Amino acid sequence: DAKTTQPPSMDCAEGRAANLPCNHSTISGNEYVYWYRQIHSQGPQYIIHGLKNNETNEMASLIITEDRKSSTLILPHATLRDTAVYYCIVRADNYGQNFVFGPGTRLSVLP
Amino acid sequence: GAVVSQHPSRVICKSGTSVKIECRSLDFQATTMFWYRQFPKQSLMLMATSNEGSKATYEQGVEKDKFLINHASLTLSTLTVTSAHPEDSSFYICSASGPPGIYFGPGTRLTVT
Repeated sequence: DAKTTQPPSMDCAEGRAANLPCNHSTISGNEYVYWYRQIHSQGPQYIIHGLKNNETNEMASLIITEDRKSSTLILPHATLRDTAVYYCIVRADNYGQNFVFGPGTRLSVLP
Repeated sequence: GAVVSQHPSRVICKSGTSVKIECRSLDFQATTMFWYRQFPKQSLMLMATSNEGSKATYEQGVEKDKFLINHASLTLSTLTVTSAHPEDSSFYICSASGPPGIYFGPGTRLTVT
């Protein structure tokens, strides 16, 4: 799996958009960009994933650059409950392949 | 959506005893299950990959005789920590993979005293 680079920590004011960047310059053509988050002492929670088009669901939006070397996860209106570690993972869409977790970004949403 | 459960959610055991952790895919069949371990303030580290009906594949540095994995059915995998010691205290997380996707369990907090 391609490696990803994320800032170790970020702060965001409650109610504002949180934009979490991820660099994946060595991503392969068949690898997707996945985002998970982990709230303290819980299992990872799926947020969103995409291949090359921008994606949006009820939780977040995923913006992938045209060259696919980086992406941004956007939480449009961050709440205190969004405080968590956010992991960006690139991975081929293969049920037999595990996720390789980096250190992620610790997002703190401040009141 | 698909759900993966783990049991127990937390367990405290004495040094030298064995502990079994169950991972179940509740509404889908998981051809592959993964076991991760997470120490405080660290990321998840893959311990082993198990496929239904075959032996698990362990990551480098993970003792297969200490961490016994059984994947006897398409909905159940178990991790047994044998002769547990305080350094085995950790957060153990499983994930189950198969159509429609890959899903993580809520984790099991193991404390060895």
